[in-house]
Order: sequence, then structure tokens, then C-alpha cells
Amino acid sequence: QKEVEQNSGPLSVPEGAIASLNCTYSDRGSQSFFWYRQYSGKSPELIMFIYSNGDKEDGRFTAQLNKASQYVSLLIRDSQPSDSATYLCARRRSNYQLIWGAGTKLIIKP
Amino acid sequence: GAVVSQHPSWVICKSGTSVKIECRSLDFQATTMFWYRQFPKQSLMLMATSNEGSKATYEQGVEKDKFLINHASLTLSTLTVTSAHPEDSSFYICSAREWLAGVGELFFGEGSRLTVL
Repeated sequence: QKEVEQNSGPLSVPEGAIASLNCTYSDRGSQSFFWYRQYSGKSPELIMFIYSNGDKEDGRFTAQLNKASQYVSLLIRDSQPSDSATYLCARRRSNYQLIWGAGTKLIIKP
Repeated sequence: GAVVSQHPSWVICKSGTSVKIECRSLDFQATTMFWYRQFPKQSLMLMATSNEGSKATYEQGVEKDKFLINHASLTLSTLTVTSAHPEDSSFYICSAREWLAGVGELFFGEGSRLTVL
């Protein structure tokens, strides 16, 4: 079982709709989780991090963490074509090491 | 936000040669730097963690004699791919953690694309 699992997609969402990206993890002791966006050929960009159960909102983005279910999600409201990218979920290990999921490719259709 | 600069952004080399990639934190002191490798359509894989002034800690399966990491100062870490072979062709990315960073403060370089002929 992979430490961090994501559906590779692609996930296709119409412009203006809500995109929902999901991630599960195997280590129940994991504390901190991160969502990064990566455009093709570029480095990842941090979108949000979350370490408490519940929701965390930042603009059009909402991260949700459910430690009991070992589940993290990212919602993108009012999706824009510029949101089309691969979204990487990661959990933090000791010493700030990040363990990454394989990423979900998101396509926003105009 | 803080800036991490990686150089070169792309490099092509012949099989058997060595290639050095630099990772610099431009406006902060990075006590810890991480090196990742990413193959096409795959996720990032942590190769090693380097702490300033000490030896790097390599992930299982990463050859430390092949991927030499030096973190001699608080603003510079280097990754040298020795005797590179075509299978080493990949996108190499560094990230850096600031000295007093909070939970989310990890900054990424732009990445270096290595092609070994």
C-alpha cells in the first residue's frame, strides 16, 4: 500500500464548477498534509496545508482533513482554466520531509 | 515569499560524465534542503535530506556514491550526479526549509531537467 494515494485522473470539470480532489494516507500518525499544484515542466507550488481535522478555507480553495478516515481533500470553487494542472497531495514526515502522492491531473473545460 | 534558485534549469550531457546542480536560497537561511527526482508522469520521489554542515541522509534505494550532496553553507546545496547514465535522465527539484519556518514553509526551486545521452 502506498503511503499517499491519489487517483491519477484526469478529472475533467467544467469552468465555474467545483473541482474535488481526494487523497488517502496509510500512516495514522501523520499530522500535517499539503496540497501542491504542479504545471507541466514546473516545480510544485504550495496551495494549502492543513493539520487539524475539519475544513480550512483560503480564497477559492478549501482543504478538508478527516484523520479518522485518513482522508484529505481539496475543493476548488469557481474553477478556472488556469487551474488545470496536476495536484499533488503530500504528508509531512519528521524533519519536514514530504511524502508525495502520484498526483491527480485536473482539466478545467471552458 | 522566499526564493529558491536552481541552476542549471536544464542540462544535456554525455553518458559517463558528471553533472552538478546547485540549489540556492536567495533571501533566507536554509538549515535543511531536500532533493527530489521526478520521472515523466510520476510523482516526486525524495532522494535525500541535507542539513547544513553535516552529511546528507539518503532515502532507501538512492546510491549516495552516485548522487553526491553537499550542503556547505546555509544558502547553498549541490547535487552531483556522478558517471551519469541515460536512466538518470529526470527532473531534479530541490526544496529548502527556512531556519524558523512554520508548518508550511518549504520553498521549491524551479527544477533542473537532466538529459543523459
